[in-house]
Amino acid sequence: DTAVSQTPKYLVTQMGNDKSIKCEQNLGHDTMYWYKQDSKKFLKIMFSYNNKELIINETVPNRFSPKSPDKAHLNLHINSLELGDSAVYFCASSQMRGRETQYFGPGTRLLVL
Amino acid sequence: GNSVTQMEGPVTLSEEAFLTINCTYTATGYPSLFWYVQYPGEGLQLLLKATKADDKGSNKGFEATYRKETTSFHLEKGSVQVSDSAVYFCALSPQGGAGSYQLTFGKGTKLSVIP
Repeated sequence: DTAVSQTPKYLVTQMGNDKSIKCEQNLGHDTMYWYKQDSKKFLKIMFSYNNKELIINETVPNRFSPKSPDKAHLNLHINSLELGDSAVYFCASSQMRGRETQYFGPGTRLLVL
Repeated sequence: GNSVTQMEGPVTLSEEAFLTINCTYTATGYPSLFWYVQYPGEGLQLLLKATKADDKGSNKGFEATYRKETTSFHLEKGSVQVSDSAVYFCALSPQGGAGSYQLTFGKGTKLSVIP
């Protein structure tokens, strides 16, 4: 069984559209994350949720809105997509104890045309 | 703030060569240190980790030792294989506090191993 899954795997869309990426984990973890990986492979955290509550919100445009309906899911909605949003978005999960390993999903490759 | 610096790539080695990828960090106290690996087209996987000074993490022939005195966590492997071709990320998780669950990554080092 896949531990952390994301859908869709690929997303190609036009500028100005609104899109969502879904993430689910079946590891029983209480903390989930969204990371953005740019074209140079640099990884940066965007958001983190613990027990459905937002605990990290880095400097990210407010066009990005995470939503956590329960501990096992963390979705990312993006409004008014821009060319610069093209990247790979990774979901991850871990236990809250901080030094626990984060487990990553396979990534969603977003291309904005 | 916290930061991780790792050697610039890409690194190209012949099969069975010795690998070192340097990683140094800036953080207060005793962060946890990690190496993650990303194979082409896939997500990140934990390769190894160390949570206190002088700990050695090891997995799949890779090793890294947590050196507090030099704030380093260099990744080594004695004999690389073609299947080790991937991007390697060094990362840290701060010691305690509100940010202790937040990973800070280095910029990644792409390794290509040729037969």
